[in-house]
Amino acid sequence: GEDVEQSLFLSVREGDSSVINCTYTDSSSTYLYWYKQEPGAGLQLLTYIFSNMDMKQDQRLTVLLNKKDKHLSLRIADTQTGDSAIYFCAESGPSGGYQKVTFGIGTKLQVIP
Amino acid sequence: DAGVIQSPRHEVTEMGQEVTLRCKPISGHDYLFWYRQTMMRGLELLIYFNNNVPIDDSGMPEDRFSAKMPNASFSTLKIQPSEPRDSAVYFCASSLTSGRLAKNIQYFGAGTRLSVL
Repeated sequence: GEDVEQSLFLSVREGDSSVINCTYTDSSSTYLYWYKQEPGAGLQLLTYIFSNMDMKQDQRLTVLLNKKDKHLSLRIADTQTGDSAIYFCAESGPSGGYQKVTFGIGTKLQVIP
Repeated sequence: DAGVIQSPRHEVTEMGQEVTLRCKPISGHDYLFWYRQTMMRGLELLIYFNNNVPIDDSGMPEDRFSAKMPNASFSTLKIQPSEPRDSAVYFCASSLTSGRLAKNIQYFGAGTRLSVL
């Protein structure tokens, strides 16, 4: 079945850029997403990218997609302490009937003041 | 809209007891998902519904778990009997039908933290 993998932990200093990486196995994935989970809360969509794009920028967030290598990354510029959270990579596509979203295990981002 | 509402936020129970988790999806959404989150396994999809009908329950771990959606605004996840290994955070999420090439955004509730002693 579909699989999404990401590293468990990333630590950066406030003001630096953070890059969270993800790989996925389903070459037919239509959309790829980044969700954010703050302590004690549910997941919230941060951004997404359609599979025919290779980059999307949204303020401090840049998503890069390498479809050939099935690699997705999220770059957060000027990382702030408020960015400390768990970030989930996810995908949806025909393999899951389009409505089902497969999530990675989540990368915990720690921002050091 | 108030978003997806889950209750209770925290539940502590003893092994063998029945546990019922509740979810109210966003009004107008036609898909509802139940997930379980643990440190070891991450976020696991347990079951999802479309227009109140269960579509895929292959993630339900055992017969002790059951889920219902009697109407468009309410769903329950029941564990009977509960075991310590069921301790986790359970999330409900809802979404609106998207076409084959449309993005699928799921909206999550705040979760229910279940502790089975």
